[in-house]
Formats: sequence, structure tokens, C-alpha cells
Amino acid sequence: GESVGLHLPTLSVQEGDNSIINCAYSNSASDYFIWYKQESGKGPQFIIDIRSNMDKRQGQRVTVLLNKTVKHLSLQIAATQPGDSAVYFCAESPTGANSKLTFGKGITLSVRP
Amino acid sequence: DTGVSQNPRHKITKRGQNVTFRCDPISEHNRLYWYRQTLGQGPEFLTYFQNEAQLEKSRLLSDRFSAERPKGSFSTLEIQRTEQGDSAMYLCASSFEGGLYFGPGTRLTVT
Repeated sequence: GESVGLHLPTLSVQEGDNSIINCAYSNSASDYFIWYKQESGKGPQFIIDIRSNMDKRQGQRVTVLLNKTVKHLSLQIAATQPGDSAVYFCAESPTGANSKLTFGKGITLSVRP
Repeated sequence: DTGVSQNPRHKITKRGQNVTFRCDPISEHNRLYWYRQTLGQGPEFLTYFQNEAQLEKSRLLSDRFSAERPKGSFSTLEIQRTEQGDSAMYLCASSFEGGLYFGPGTRLTVT
């Protein structure tokens, strides 16, 4: 069946460095992708989304890149801060933004001071 | 606070008991979703509503689970005859035209 997965379970970065979190998806019909941040004991928090007709979208300190050819999604965080430490999930949907999402397993980002 | 709210935040129950959780979505969001999340895993879809209509249920949702959204606003998720395997975080999310916005979740522990 379709799945969304992350390449690495953990990522440790130095405060101030840029972080790159990668995600592979297998459903070629997916047309909407989203990144969430989840801190311990809290629900997932929306970070940034992208539709399949785009290959890059920028937010505040974050950029999402979509490569549909290899079915790869990445989240770049500029100047990583201690507050960025959390678990990050990518999720996808084949039916647009206002519909159910399929999540990957999550990757833990740890920021070293 | 105009985000998604869930109550209770924590629930401890004995095996075999029934539990009910409530979700209040963001105002005017027409879709409401329930997800379940276990430690170290991503959220898994359970069911969703468009207004008061339940449009899809996952095969994860056994007969012991039932969800309602009677007036198209808040929703309840009931688990009957709880089992230890039901222990998880139950997340609610809502959406309108954009992505899903999640609540803080209800953590269920079945002893």
C-alpha cells in the first residue's frame, strides 16, 4: 500500500546551523504535502505545506522542496534554534488540502547549544 | 484561544470501561478528523466528518469505536469495552480550505 516515510530517525544539529529533514513518499497520485512539528505532549503543529504544482515554497525560516520525479520532500530550517527541537512529520494527500492525510513515522530534531 | 480544543486531556480507565472524548474544532471548519497516535509513530487516520456526515472510517476503527458530530460542530469519540491496546493519544483536527489543524490530543491509558 501507499506509505510516507522518513529516511533517518534522528537528526542532531548545532544551534545556528541549517537543518534539512528529508521524506520519501510512494503515492505518485499525492498532490498535497505538509510538514508538522510535534513537541512532547502536544498535538502536531502546522509548519508549511506545498501543492504538487509547485517545487518550492518558503515560509519564515523554513523552506519546503518537492521533487515529484523521485517522490521526495524536504524541509529546510534556517538558523536552527533550540525551540526547533521536536519531532517532525511529513504527510501527504492525494485529494488536496482539505482532506485526510497519511503520515510518516517522524524524525527527531535535536539542537545542540 | 481559537484553535482546536479537546477534552479531557488525559484519561485513565480500567479495561472494559467505556470512555468518551470531545473535540471542538476551529469555528466554521467544515471538516473534522480523528486520528490515533502511539509512541514514536505518526498519527493514523480513524475517521472524518464533513459537517455532520461521517464520510470515511478506517479499518482501524473497530466496532467498539463510534464517532458522532451531531450538529456539524463539536464531535465525540466513544470507545466501548476498552482494551489495553487502545492506550494511545487521540488527536482531533479540523480543516476548511487549507491543511489540517490539530488539537492537543487526549491521552488514554487503559490499565
